[in-house]
Amino acid sequence: GQQLNQSPQSMFIQEGEDVSMNCTSSSIFNTWLWYKQDPGEGPVLLIALYKAGELTSNGRLTAQFGITRKDSFLNISASIPSDVGIYFCAGQPFYGGSQGNLIFGKGTKLSVKP
Amino acid sequence: DAGVIQSPRHEVTEMGQEVTLRCKPISGHDYLFWYRQTMMRGLELLIYFNNNVPIDDSGMPEDRFSAKMPNASFSTLKIQPSEPRDSAVYFCASRLSGMYTEAFFGQGTRLTVV
Repeated sequence: GQQLNQSPQSMFIQEGEDVSMNCTSSSIFNTWLWYKQDPGEGPVLLIALYKAGELTSNGRLTAQFGITRKDSFLNISASIPSDVGIYFCAGQPFYGGSQGNLIFGKGTKLSVKP
Repeated sequence: DAGVIQSPRHEVTEMGQEVTLRCKPISGHDYLFWYRQTMMRGLELLIYFNNNVPIDDSGMPEDRFSAKMPNASFSTLKIQPSEPRDSAVYFCASRLSGMYTEAFFGQGTRLTVV
């Protein structure tokens, strides 16, 4: 079945540094979503991408939907301590129609040193 | 809307007991998902429903797991009998149909089987 390879698995960075993470797949996706999960909470949507090549920003976050439809990246600029958490990519597989399922990457655990 | 509501938030049970997890999706959403999250496997899709009908239950680990959606506003995930390896955080999520909508997650149920 479809799989998403998310990297890196974890990152330890200094406050103020930029962060980059990505997801790749051998399958084509219609939609790419990026979620953040705080400890003890469910994942919360950060950015949604619906079109190949689309580049979208949300504050210090920027994400892109790869032109091949098989990858996406998320950048966080000037990290702050509250950026700590687990970041997940998720994709909706392309079957030529409306499909409900979302496939999730295994997550990138971000730690920020003040 | 209050978002996706899950209960209980925490459940501790003895091996062999039946466990029932509950979910109320966002009103109007016609897709409902059950996920399990562990350190080893990340977020795994167990089953999802569309208009109260199970569409894909291939992620349900064993016959001990069952899920129902008797109406558009309620779903249950049952484990009978429970085992220590079922210990995990179980998330419910919901979304609208269509290619351009994202899934919203509940806060999860942390299950511990001793």
